[in-house]
Amino acid sequence: QVQLQESGPGLVKPSGTLSLTCAVSGDSISTSNWWTWVRQPPEKGLEWIGEIFHSGNTNYNPSLKSRVTISVDNSKNQFSLRLNSVTAADTAVYYCARKPYGANKIDYWGQGTLVTVSS
Amino acid sequence: DIVMTQSPLPLPVTPGEPASISCRSSQSLLHSNGYNYLNWYVQKPGQSPQLLIYLGSNRASGVPDRFSGSGSGTDFTLRISRVEAEDVAIYHCMQTLQTPFTFGQGTKLEIK
Repeated sequence: QVQLQESGPGLVKPSGTLSLTCAVSGDSISTSNWWTWVRQPPEKGLEWIGEIFHSGNTNYNPSLKSRVTISVDNSKNQFSLRLNSVTAADTAVYYCARKPYGANKIDYWGQGTLVTVSS
Repeated sequence: DIVMTQSPLPLPVTPGEPASISCRSSQSLLHSNGYNYLNWYVQKPGQSPQLLIYLGSNRASGVPDRFSGSGSGTDFTLRISRVEAEDVAIYHCMQTLQTPFTFGQGTKLEIK
């Protein structure tokens, strides 16, 4: 049973950096999957942030690309999200997820974590 | 970016009745391999999204056969043959043909 668990601060100050980690269990992060971040602002739709392969290859949403970094730690079986220069518009529930290589579907999601940007 | 448009957005349904949700894309989602790169997710209140239908018409593991997906190119439909109270949720379509992957606005199914 694959499980993903997000962790990180629930409150970030404007202009600060949002940092989240996703711990993966039931699967090795070194397998053929794209490890993905998706967010959902309150009462709004889902937005794909980006993804990383275990080799370090990444794809980012161009709307966030200048502020986003996704990284992977194979030794800890986890991957991370950093979003710089945050504003209130970045307030959202952040989900980590798995998309198997070649399958073109996100098949497992974390439970999500709410990050609020406020002073 | 490929724009995904769902309708309706609120969907009130009487239990036992059928329901359908439309998802239209601004570009064809039909890959040269013959598959449509369109997935449906269900998000129950307070939960994360769960895969419902992948590649346009394939039910994910454990999904009741009340749910079906159809369509090709730019027009897709999710159908529920007989709505149950437990189907109250937001339904999202998502394209994975090209990055950035994009979602529809989400359709909120409510019980009348």
